Amino acid sequence: KAGVTQTPRYLIKTRGQQVTLSCSPISGHRSVSWYQQTPGQGLQFLFEYFSETQRNKGNFPGRFSGRQFSNSRSEMNVSTLELGDSALYLCASSSRTGVFVQYFGPGTRLTVT
Amino acid sequence: DQQVKQNSPSLSVQEGRISILNCDYTNSMFDYFLWYKKYPAEGPTFLISISSIKDKNEDGRFTVFLNKSAKHLSLHIVPSQPGDSAVYFCAASGGNTPLVFGKGTRLSVIA
Repeated sequence: KAGVTQTPRYLIKTRGQQVTLSCSPISGHRSVSWYQQTPGQGLQFLFEYFSETQRNKGNFPGRFSGRQFSNSRSEMNVSTLELGDSALYLCASSSRTGVFVQYFGPGTRLTVT
Repeated sequence: DQQVKQNSPSLSVQEGRISILNCDYTNSMFDYFLWYKKYPAEGPTFLISISSIKDKNEDGRFTVFLNKSAKHLSLHIVPSQPGDSAVYFCAASGGNTPLVFGKGTRLSVIA
């Protein structure tokens, strides 16, 4: 089976712009979670989607949003980018919600200048 | 408030010796714990897990120990190999709550 794929892998944006990141889960997986990783920090949970419904949301401002499509692919959007949004954004999938073993994609490295 | 803590940012071990990575948690509702390994420019890879009904789980060279009374878990790697050099993340969850990750420990295995 193909693993979790994320596009793009690298992205450079300017403050104030918005960005959309994409994630394709492992075939058959219906749960997709997003995480932010910054230098020296662990993975900070952003949100989880299961069957197109947001199941959990982390402690991030409303500028961070996401959605999931009927084929389980997911996108996250960050509006009005700030310098502090520079991070590695990781997507993980699992076969169902509540299953804790998640499989991660390679991440999208976002740099905000 | 950091619910999952990995107090050692880095650890160096000689090849062939044991590597012990530690993790402490504060939330008594956590009942499932995982370790992930991360190489640069890659996403984390699941390594091993343990539920709160057990105190030990073993998979090849990797063993995770859980001490519920101390709210402490550890990952033992024996013997350590240079390919084990990576950042190791401890994660925990309770019920259907999202995984909570520690900040990671960078392991360097020296040949």
